Amino acid sequence: EDQVTQSPEALRLQEGESSSLNCSYTVSGLRGLFWYRQDPGKGPEFLFTLYSAGEEKEKERLKATLTKKESFLHITAPKPEDSATYLCAVQALSGNTPLVFGKGTRLSVIA
Amino acid sequence: DTGVSQNPRHKITKRGQNVTFRCDPISEHNRLYWYRQTLGQGPEFLTYFQNEAQLEKSRLLSDRFSAERPKGSFSTLEIQRTEQGDSAMYLCASTEGADTQYFGPGTRLTVL
Repeated sequence: EDQVTQSPEALRLQEGESSSLNCSYTVSGLRGLFWYRQDPGKGPEFLFTLYSAGEEKEKERLKATLTKKESFLHITAPKPEDSATYLCAVQALSGNTPLVFGKGTRLSVIA
Repeated sequence: DTGVSQNPRHKITKRGQNVTFRCDPISEHNRLYWYRQTLGQGPEFLTYFQNEAQLEKSRLLSDRFSAERPKGSFSTLEIQRTEQGDSAMYLCASTEGADTQYFGPGTRLTVL
């Protein structure tokens, strides 16, 4: 069974204090690993898709990396507006399968 | 591209009542997914459509749940005889082919 585990469950950072979120996964052949941002009471907002080990993608203060067993979301010099829940999801190789999500990491950035 | 829309955004109902939610996907997206999310959890898959065909249903989707996507455009999710355990955020996502899924704002259901 495909599984995603995210850590930590919650993270509190001072503004400007860089850190990383972890997503460990097991999947029967990875088609893609997805990162989403979710604000309270809203739907997930797409951030990145990673397809193969060694791949990296960046967007503003966020950088996502992928290995064969885990992915990291690095946040550089975060700002209060980066506060949100960050969700990681995997999709198996068949491509017709739904996303399997982790429980997310709740990030709070304090000014 | 106006994004995925969902209506209503919030629904409060009494136990035992029926409710129906609507999802309008991004135009020309042929795949549409329904997920359910409870507090502190990630979204969990319920069912998905390719065009008008319902291709997969999760074991989470009890007999009280039914979904349709007539003409391969918008989709509806109906819950009959609601229970307090049905309280959750119901999310819809759409995609072209097997590409990235884009989510709507969700419908928050509260069953009293």
